[in-house]
Amino acid sequence: AQSVTQLDSQVPVFEEAPVELRCNYSSSVSVYLFWYVQYPNQGLQLLLKYLSGSTLVESINGFEAEFNKSQTSFHLRKPSVHISDTAEYFCAVTFTDKLIFGTGTRLQVFP
Amino acid sequence: DGGITQSPKYLFRKEGQNVTLSCEQNLNHDAMYWYRQDPGQGLRLIYYSQIVNDFQKGDIAEGYSVSREKKESFPLTVTSAQKNPTAFYLCASSKGLAGGKNIQYFGAGTRLSVL
Repeated sequence: AQSVTQLDSQVPVFEEAPVELRCNYSSSVSVYLFWYVQYPNQGLQLLLKYLSGSTLVESINGFEAEFNKSQTSFHLRKPSVHISDTAEYFCAVTFTDKLIFGTGTRLQVFP
Repeated sequence: DGGITQSPKYLFRKEGQNVTLSCEQNLNHDAMYWYRQDPGQGLRLIYYSQIVNDFQKGDIAEGYSVSREKKESFPLTVTSAQKNPTAFYLCASSKGLAGGKNIQYFGAGTRLSVL
């Protein structure tokens, strides 16, 4: 069955430290990949996407993710986090006619 | 500004009551979706619609109903048959049906609680 796995439910980190949020998916066909961010009591906002082309994609606020087809992964990284990055992050993958979400990773940035 | 508007932000349901969550979009998107979010479970698809007057069940449609009479509107009714309705409900829309490069855009959500 198609699935998206975010192994880390919570990631605590100090401000200005680097962070990696992991995402793996199971699929034998071509997929499109997304990271969404959710701030408390709000909807989801698209952070970045991989549709085609370069396997490294970047967001406007310093996050980046790399599509690795052989490892079926799309990990999200940021070299230096800020307090304002505290939020829940969802990896999502398009399979044929559906968008399937991982269970989310709560990033908590401490001063 | 273009976007998706969900109302109300908070909603309370009594036992045996049906309640309706509103979702309106002015993005001229064809496809609309309803998701349910529970802590630690991510988002689960309730219903989706690709075109006016047509909609399909998602993974957890039991106890819910929808209508799509206008392109802009996709209301969700939580019926009394839904025994555990307490959750955060998110509405989304996309230019085309998910399955290609169509990006889904989300509303701010409605938090439903049972009295």
